[in-house]
Amino acid sequence: GAVVSQHPSWVICKSGTSVKIECRSLDFQATTMFWYRQFPKQSLMLMATSNEGSKATYEQGVEKDKFLINHASLTLSTLTVTSAHPEDSSFYICSASGQVGNEQFFGPGTRLTVL
Amino acid sequence: GESVGLHLPTLSVQEGDNSIINCAYSNSASDYFIWYKQESGKGPQFIIDIRSNMDKRQGQRVTVLLNKTVKHLSLQIAATQPGDSAVYFCAEGGNQGGKLIFGQGTELSVKP
Repeated sequence: GAVVSQHPSWVICKSGTSVKIECRSLDFQATTMFWYRQFPKQSLMLMATSNEGSKATYEQGVEKDKFLINHASLTLSTLTVTSAHPEDSSFYICSASGQVGNEQFFGPGTRLTVL
Repeated sequence: GESVGLHLPTLSVQEGDNSIINCAYSNSASDYFIWYKQESGKGPQFIIDIRSNMDKRQGQRVTVLLNKTVKHLSLQIAATQPGDSAVYFCAEGGNQGGKLIFGQGTELSVKP
């Protein structure tokens, strides 16, 4: 149990376009989802915390207008990278939690490459 | 504060040896600690966790030790196997909103 999926697993886009990444909890209801970004050879950096039905809480330094997060249901959260630039190329990972403070279950990640 | 890694420390061990991976955490208020394994191109995989009211917890071939006095966490892997080769991250939780703060990670390389 506690499986989290992400789609797509990888995406290549042109600079200036927008890309949407989906995060789904497949066998549990996720009241909270988290979005992380990971650059090569570095740690996971939390971007934002998303609670179902409410606005996401962004970490300091993360542009909320550039990284749009929607958590419209208890099993789906989406991250849209708007007007992507090459420096947005990274590995984006989501995690889901059934309750605040409980264990986070991680998705397999999405590799974004912006040309 | 948050831990940010500029590069990954590496640990190279011989197959069959024991591995010890260390982590220093930052927040004295953290009361939940987790070790994750991340293979190349994949998401983190839960290994073992420990609450702050414990100083040791054992799993299958893995042991986590917690020293709250010096804010130090370690992961011991017994009889390390080639399949254990990966990057290992510690994470601290119990903070606001269920957030996790990840350490910089250690790359474990197991020589056959």
